[in-house]
Amino acid sequence: AQSVTQLDSQVPVFEEAPVELRCNYSSSVSVYLFWYVQYPNQGLQLLLKYLSGSTLVKGINGFEAEFNKSQTSFHLRKPSVHISDTAEYFCAVSGSPGGNQFYFGTGTSLTVIP
Amino acid sequence: DAGVTQSPTHLIKTRGQQVTLRCSPKSGHDTVSWYQQALGQGPQFIFQYYEEEERQRGNFPDRFSGHQFPNYSSELNVNALLLGDSALYLCASSPVGGGYEQYFGPGTRLTVT
Repeated sequence: AQSVTQLDSQVPVFEEAPVELRCNYSSSVSVYLFWYVQYPNQGLQLLLKYLSGSTLVKGINGFEAEFNKSQTSFHLRKPSVHISDTAEYFCAVSGSPGGNQFYFGTGTSLTVIP
Repeated sequence: DAGVTQSPTHLIKTRGQQVTLRCSPKSGHDTVSWYQQALGQGPQFIFQYYEEEERQRGNFPDRFSGHQFPNYSSELNVNALLLGDSALYLCASSPVGGGYEQYFGPGTRLTVT
């Protein structure tokens, strides 16, 4: 079975400060990891993904994440946040044999304070 | 290039009724997945369709059923609606043959009263 834990339900941060949103996963098979962002009343937009290769993954809007197999983590980071980054962020894992079911965390609400 | 589209945007139904939600995948995609996102929660996998057949199913009762058409579009049907079915229903499509990237539509907000 696979699962995702997002350790922080809410993260307030001042504008232009760095931020880290934490994600831990559990899986007995090879994993593929994703971060999605959801703005109010909208669907999910892919920020970045880890499928294989380099453990440091760069995504859109200046976000990056690092895959750490030993710690089963995939934390999302941004060196300087903007007001427009205020949104809900979801970490997801996939990789179950024979299917592409995604398992999502419960989300982290990022609020950027002016 | 149109992305994933869903209709309707919002829907209000009464407990016990039936509802049908629709999804058109992104161009070039043939696999469609449906998710339920309750308020304040992450999306929960309902099922996935590929080649007009249900390929994988999450932990949802048989009241939830679906269909995929030859043009890859899909429907989600929910019978005997319960108050707890109120949620945002998201459709996601994947490239030909599956793959490990899913593109999400804007969702349908279902309210059951």
